[in-house]
This record gives sequence, structure tokens and C-alpha cells, in this order.
Amino acid sequence: DTGVSQDPRHKITKRGQNVTFRCDPISEHNRLYWYRQTLGQGPEFLTYFQNEAQLEKSRLLSDRFSAERPKGSFSTLEIQRTEQGDSAMYLCASSQDRTYGYTFGSGTRLTVV
Amino acid sequence: AQSVSQHNHHVILSEAASLELGCNYSYGGTVNLFWYVQYPGQHLQLLLKYFSGDPLVKGIKGFEAEFIKSKFSFNLRKPSVQWSDTAEYFCAVNAPQAGTALIFGKGTTLSVSS
Repeated sequence: DTGVSQDPRHKITKRGQNVTFRCDPISEHNRLYWYRQTLGQGPEFLTYFQNEAQLEKSRLLSDRFSAERPKGSFSTLEIQRTEQGDSAMYLCASSQDRTYGYTFGSGTRLTVV
Repeated sequence: AQSVSQHNHHVILSEAASLELGCNYSYGGTVNLFWYVQYPGQHLQLLLKYFSGDPLVKGIKGFEAEFIKSKFSFNLRKPSVQWSDTAEYFCAVNAPQAGTALIFGKGTTLSVSS
């Protein structure tokens, strides 16, 4: 499969715990995006990488959230001290350039209990 | 605030009926426009996109969309829907002057009965 891979598919964690998600983009894509989707809403932009540089961050990305893309390949999204409001589907997407359109992964569903 | 609006939350159609899903955006200037589809249990997939040129864009599976700049709209259409078109449809806009991100509408759930 040459699509965007996300791991894990599901994560249940207790409030206050830290979680980390991984995204492996399509190998030739230099742009990588993280989105969050809650029930009844469209995906909401969190952050954007071009190669290893994090170029844009949404105000939704509080200081409990951090994302990295070392070496411009896979990316991780970490949430520290999780809260129930963090429960959502976290989506990763990659693209080759602006005109190509995103390819989305299947997402990681986070449930904070 | 700048936004993307999808007016229909849930649309129910019979097979062979025609479909039009509305999308309006509030960004000025140059915009790039997209429709994505999410079939049950699957990830978001690109249906079609508009960057420039002919405002009538044809996508996969018989879908098309028309960009009307004066109305800030990018409505999705299909002349005859099938049961397999049952899915959630998202309109998305990129305004380069506002950043790189795609801004999505809240989505429209389409249910097609056979």
C-alpha cells in the first residue's frame, strides 16, 4: 500500500496521560498536514510541514500539542496531559505540491476517558 | 470570520435522482476549491478540484462542480446518483493568501436508497 499510513488506528487513554501518534506520508510527498475531526464537523487544520520544517500552526494547537517531522519523512503528533476534549479523529495528509490535492490517511481515533 | 459553508447537513435521495450539494466560502481573492468524499469506514478521498480555467470541473465517478466566482460558490452535482454514492461529502477551500491549509466545511451526509 503506497498511501498515507497512520498508527495506531485507535487509542484509548486516561485523562492526564501523554499520547503519541505516527504518520507515514507518501514517500515522494514533501508536504505533510495534521488535522483533527470531531463528530459532525469537517477536518480542522492543526499544523503543516514542508520537508522537516514546521511552517504553519493553528491556534487550535495548544502548548500541550507538539508535532515533529525529523528528516522530512514520517511525522509524530504528541498530546501531553490529555483532556476529554482532545477526543477526536486525528488525520494526517500529504501532498506533493499545492495543486496536487491532499492524500489522507485513515486517521487515529483518540478516546480520552 | 472566513469560513466554508455547506448548507445541507443531510440529503436523502432515491437512486437515479439528481444531486446538488451547496458550498459557499467567504474568502476573497484567489481560491483553490476541492470536494472530498468519505465512504463509510474509509478515509477521505479527493473527488475533484478547481484551480483555474474552465469553471466547470469534472471529477471521478460522474461528479462535477461549478465555480461561480460572483456567488462565492462551488456546488457539487451528479445527474443520477447510485446507492454506492452514500457517503459524507466535504467542500474545502485553500486561499493562498491566508496560508497553506485546506479549510473544510462541516460536511453533507448523502443517503441514497435503492
